[in-house]
Amino acid sequence: AQKVTQTQTSISVMEKTTVTMDCVYETQDSSYFLFWYKQTASGEIVFLIRQDSYKKENATVGHYSLNFQKPKSSIGLIITATQIEDSAVYFCAMREVTNAYKVIFGKGTHLHVLP
Amino acid sequence: GALVYQYPRRTICKSGTSMRMECQAVGFQATSVAWYRQSPQKTFELIALSTVNSAIKYEQNFTQEKFPISHPNLSFSSMTVLNAYLEDRGLYLCGAFWGVKDTQYFGPGTRLLVL
Repeated sequence: AQKVTQTQTSISVMEKTTVTMDCVYETQDSSYFLFWYKQTASGEIVFLIRQDSYKKENATVGHYSLNFQKPKSSIGLIITATQIEDSAVYFCAMREVTNAYKVIFGKGTHLHVLP
Repeated sequence: GALVYQYPRRTICKSGTSMRMECQAVGFQATSVAWYRQSPQKTFELIALSTVNSAIKYEQNFTQEKFPISHPNLSFSSMTVLNAYLEDRGLYLCGAFWGVKDTQYFGPGTRLLVL
């Protein structure tokens, strides 16, 4: 069965620092896709970055990057030079190739960026 | 870029009545659309997955009789909550899949309040 676990319920960091949010997943598939989303206070959900399981290089988009450790079934999100507006709930998600379009979400990590 | 609109953003209905919500993909053709309900605790519940020209697949605890979905083309989907009760309250999210890599993009959600 597929499962996504985010153990950090809430994290607080100072502005302009780097933060890492953890996510581990369970899957029986050899091919899968991993995603990170951000949900703002208004409820809007924004796609941030994705990692395909067959790719060894860690994905990077802007000040978001991933720490993909496949043997550990881990996909951490790293945000560098955090800004106040990065404060939001961050969701890790997974989609298996064989389970077309079914996306499993973690419970989210609430990031507070402090001035 | 990929944009997903949902209408209405917020709705209040009396217990036992029904309400319809819409989801529109703008700027891309959505190969599939997933409908979710997000609880106040931020947990995602997948209601159903709809792919054009294929049968709509409902998750356990959700039925077509309660949440009928229409997906007539690659840019539009609608879902109705029939006989809404208190337990149906929540943020209803539409996630449209786009692109070769089928990343899921979300609308802003329809918040349903039941009185």
